[in-house]
Amino acid sequence: SQQGEEDPQALSIQEGENATMNCSYKTSINNLQWYRQNSGRGLVHLILIRSNEREKHSGRLRVTLDTSKKSSSLLITASRAADTASYFCATDAGGAGSYQLTFGKGTKLSVIP
Amino acid sequence: SQTIHQWPATLVQPVGSPLSLECTVEGTSNPNLYWYRQAAGRGLQLLFYSVGIGQISSEVPQNLSASRPQDRQFILSSKKLLLSDSGFYLCAWRGRRVNEQYFGPGTRLTVT
Repeated sequence: SQQGEEDPQALSIQEGENATMNCSYKTSINNLQWYRQNSGRGLVHLILIRSNEREKHSGRLRVTLDTSKKSSSLLITASRAADTASYFCATDAGGAGSYQLTFGKGTKLSVIP
Repeated sequence: SQTIHQWPATLVQPVGSPLSLECTVEGTSNPNLYWYRQAAGRGLQLLFYSVGIGQISSEVPQNLSASRPQDRQFILSSKKLLLSDSGFYLCAWRGRRVNEQYFGPGTRLTVT
């Protein structure tokens, strides 16, 4: 079954507003990652947060991690039309040699100019 | 810098025909390689991963197989395609010292 589940499934906002997406997962993790996918394209890695970190920033992105609640959030500030894409969380639960990531179903973000 | 290639970009195949999708990585050695499938509007399903030449692990029983004949080449195959094999196939690699994965542009497969 899917390890990560994003919420909401779809989000529509005006340009300049902030967008918040949430991810919940079920088991202990080594790290949690967020990826972006433009329509019909491959995924692009955005940011990684380790299990011992609570918050991380990268440009207009802010990620939080609450391991007690097994949840993470991705905040995109001052959104732009170019941020329109699907966003996926992926969990790295470890396991010797496998280095697998388990992806959620994604949040489809639409930023209206 | 590292790059990852997938081809073809799109493919339309009849049911029962064979399949071969290729993925190659440049600029790195001994990567972990992954094949994912993404159904329309859905998340990614891990199909196969490989930690080295000739080493393939399958995550779900299915109509597909994978091979890694060279260090930086990963091939996804099927002898007879099913309608349910339609989807967007993504190849990804991961370096030995990093945790993130890097994805190719994908192949859109439509089985008719």
